[in-house]
Amino acid sequence: AQSVTQLGSHVSVSEGALVLLRCNYSSSVPPYLFWYVQYPNQGLQLLLKYTTGATLVKGINGFEAEFKKSETSFHLTKPSAHMSDAAEYFCAVSDRVNQGGKLIFGQGTELSVKP
Amino acid sequence: EPEVTQTPSHQVTQMGQEVILRCVPISNHLYFYWYRQILGQKVEFLVSFYNNEISEKSEIFDDQFSVERPDGSNFTLKIRSTKLEDSAMYFCASSEAGKAGDGTQYFGPGTRLLVL
Repeated sequence: AQSVTQLGSHVSVSEGALVLLRCNYSSSVPPYLFWYVQYPNQGLQLLLKYTTGATLVKGINGFEAEFKKSETSFHLTKPSAHMSDAAEYFCAVSDRVNQGGKLIFGQGTELSVKP
Repeated sequence: EPEVTQTPSHQVTQMGQEVILRCVPISNHLYFYWYRQILGQKVEFLVSFYNNEISEKSEIFDDQFSVERPDGSNFTLKIRSTKLEDSAMYFCASSEAGKAGDGTQYFGPGTRLLVL
């Protein structure tokens, strides 16, 4: 069975500071990993994904994540936070990508950005 | 850019009533999904649908739930007799099939269901 743990339900950073949102996964097969963002009153938007290949993945809005198999982690980072980054972020894992595999989500991390 | 749409955005119903939540997936996608998010909890998988049949379902998806693709564009989730604990945000998603390296699920904006 697969699972995702996001450390910290709420993270607060100052504008311009580094953003680090932690995600650890458990999977018995090579995982496919995703970060989604949810802005207030909106649906889930894909930030980035890791399927195969390069372990450092770049996404939209300046975010990136690194797949570390030895640490079973897929932490999300952004060098400099912007006020518009305030949202809820979800890490997810799947055992299949192009055959309709379900996504297993973490609890989510709410990011606040202080001026 | 193509997007997944859902109607209604909000629905209030009485316990025991039937509700149908509607979704229009992205037109060239072949896999369809429903997820739900109870307030304050994680997003949970309910069911996936491919080639006009359920391909996978979770323990949550019991006999009270059903899905249907009634025509070439809509994908619906029906809850036959709603319970208080069905109150949640319901998300529809869709993805392409059979394309190596792809399979990204695109989510709709959700339907917030409140059961009184």
